[in-house]
Amino acid sequence: DGGITQSPKYLFRKEGQNVTLSCEQNLNHDAMYWYRQDPGQGLRLIYYSQIVNDFQKGDIAEGYSVSREKKESFPLTVTSAQKNPTAFYLCASSFTGGTTISTDTQYFGPGTRLTVL
Amino acid sequence: QKEVEQNSGPLSVPEGAIASLNCTYSDRGSQSFFWYRQYSGKSPELIMFIYSNGDKEDGRFTAQLNKASQYVSLLIRDSQPSDSATYLCAVVRAAGNKLTFGGGTRVLVKP
Repeated sequence: DGGITQSPKYLFRKEGQNVTLSCEQNLNHDAMYWYRQDPGQGLRLIYYSQIVNDFQKGDIAEGYSVSREKKESFPLTVTSAQKNPTAFYLCASSFTGGTTISTDTQYFGPGTRLTVL
Repeated sequence: QKEVEQNSGPLSVPEGAIASLNCTYSDRGSQSFFWYRQYSGKSPELIMFIYSNGDKEDGRFTAQLNKASQYVSLLIRDSQPSDSATYLCAVVRAAGNKLTFGGGTRVLVKP
């Protein structure tokens, strides 16, 4: 059963703590993405990776870090430097490098809701 | 000016009517356009994509693209209460490039 999984579903962080959000996909997609969504707003790109061992900053990378050691996995760490981390975090994946538009299509995991205590 | 703009709504539609959602984008070089539906507390799910000028139909949904005027729209025919959700417009400037999302339009279908 192919898809994207994220864990945990809910996460609580204390001030000054680093936390890591998991994202795994078995769709054989090359690219993976992390977005942040605040209440009533659209999605903002944090980081993305188009190939293993390589990733690029998105629009709001400050206070976050990622790694891409395996094609299937793209974990996101929310560091203590991120001052307002309470949000809904979404992971997505897609194919890359194709010549058809359908390869741009991103599919989303169920999300992780992070709350700062 | 935001790269992708949508009216935040809510757009209130009677059951059975047509819901019309609009999205404008600033980059004239944008090549592909996506509509996602997001229920409250859930992740976005793809409705359809379009990349050629004109209309594209999929069931009760029709996407319309006008590159000259830089807008893309989504029509929902025979609206149902289950269509009540936030609809996100997203744009890619070149194949393989990242998506830029609008803020979403909240739709409420009233029985």
